[in-house]
Amino acid sequence: DIQMTQSPSSLSASVGDRVTITCRASQDIKSWVVWYQQKPEKAPKSLIYAASTLQTGVPSRFSGSGSGTDFTLTISSLQPEDFATYYCQQYNSYPLTFGQGTRLEIK
Amino acid sequence: QLVESGGGLVQPGGSLRLSCAASGFSFNTYWMSWVRQAPGKGLEWVANIKQDGRDKRYVDSVKGRFAISRDSASNSLYLQMNNLRAEDTAVYYCARPHCTSTSCSFWFDPWGQGTQVTVSS
Repeated sequence: DIQMTQSPSSLSASVGDRVTITCRASQDIKSWVVWYQQKPEKAPKSLIYAASTLQTGVPSRFSGSGSGTDFTLTISSLQPEDFATYYCQQYNSYPLTFGQGTRLEIK
Repeated sequence: QLVESGGGLVQPGGSLRLSCAASGFSFNTYWMSWVRQAPGKGLEWVANIKQDGRDKRYVDSVKGRFAISRDSASNSLYLQMNNLRAEDTAVYYCARPHCTSTSCSFWFDPWGQGTQVTVSS
């Protein structure tokens, strides 16, 4: 199985900060990674797919990069509504696997 | 839109059948999936089913106990869960993989609101 390791597990930041979350795959997954945002008691929402393609309707302050085994999600200027938990997921092969999540909290 | 139902409290070893009603898209043209989230934990993919219902995939931890199925006449997705264990306690989400006219990629959008399954004596 492909393991997806996110770092950090939690992060405190302020409105306006630039934030980067990293996801490392245990083997080459090309660009088959998606990033989700999840708020408490809500379903996840897709942000970035194919490593760097912005999902329709997602603000441009979100961006993704990487290929192979190392991927990043960047939020260029944090807004109050961005405080949430973020997950990466690989869809290169079965079983589909997620990172353990990064909880982004207000400093 | 995806709307799950059927969750509840069940004893270990018991069974439960989850349903997901799909609307607003051509259900017959999409793979469909179940994803779960244990309390305070991360996301775990559970199962996928192809458009015609003939190809089904499962995470190892549920193989032989869970069965995914679908009904095109009612635009519904199901998850039959047997021999339930405490570790199956989770919110179960119905989710739609991303498909184009020629292929599907197994990332999910949209998701349903989830249904809670609690396995406890």
